[in-house]
Amino acid sequence: GAGVSQSPRYKVAKRGQDVALRCDPISGHVSLFWYQQALGQGPEFLTYFQNEAQLDKSGLPSDRFFAERPEGSVSTLKIQRTQQEDSAVYLCASSFSPTDRVHSPLHFGNGTRLTVT
Amino acid sequence: DQQVKQNSPSLSVQEGRISILNCDYTNSMFDYFLWYKKYPAEGPTFLISISSIKDKNEDGRFTVFLNKSAKHLSLHIVPSQPGDSAVYFCAAIPSIIQGAQKLVFGQGTRLTINP
Repeated sequence: GAGVSQSPRYKVAKRGQDVALRCDPISGHVSLFWYQQALGQGPEFLTYFQNEAQLDKSGLPSDRFFAERPEGSVSTLKIQRTQQEDSAVYLCASSFSPTDRVHSPLHFGNGTRLTVT
Repeated sequence: DQQVKQNSPSLSVQEGRISILNCDYTNSMFDYFLWYKKYPAEGPTFLISISSIKDKNEDGRFTVFLNKSAKHLSLHIVPSQPGDSAVYFCAAIPSIIQGAQKLVFGQGTRLTINP
């Protein structure tokens, strides 16, 4: 497809369950980002990949959060033992250029809305 | 610690008039600023940006102004159209040394254009 694709669009998990959220970036995009957007707030940075290398994971809120991009294209964000405070929209974004070229805007997917009950 | 602040959660403007959305920041290391527009159930889409070495950037109906001394930027939309109704996010990028593209977002302002 032409844009960043995320699946599933909606996910309901019971507290304590593990979830996996998928992101298909735009083909050829080097950089991939995950953001978390709580209700009524702006997106907050979670982690960043350049190709398959995870260069920054400073925004991951706990060690229950894990992200990977093994072949430098599709990425998965995994949350183990979900808690209610994990309820949010998880946004994936990609850009063509590595981060040393700031003029490459991020292209966001439509997000996965996670609800933990 | 909110480094990028949008103090107006909502704004209502009549069609054809000017919409002005405001954003304040606290980190003097930010050197690039962007505005994103978001419709319900969609991801944010890039609208316009400005480098810290400039004080104005214009693209059609959209103009972004940057006042570095006041650590303030604003987005002007003129004339406003019904399709402009959306949530607008201000975002900033720290200097390249600290990690470019690691956007820091404000809380957003919901703009409603009334016919």
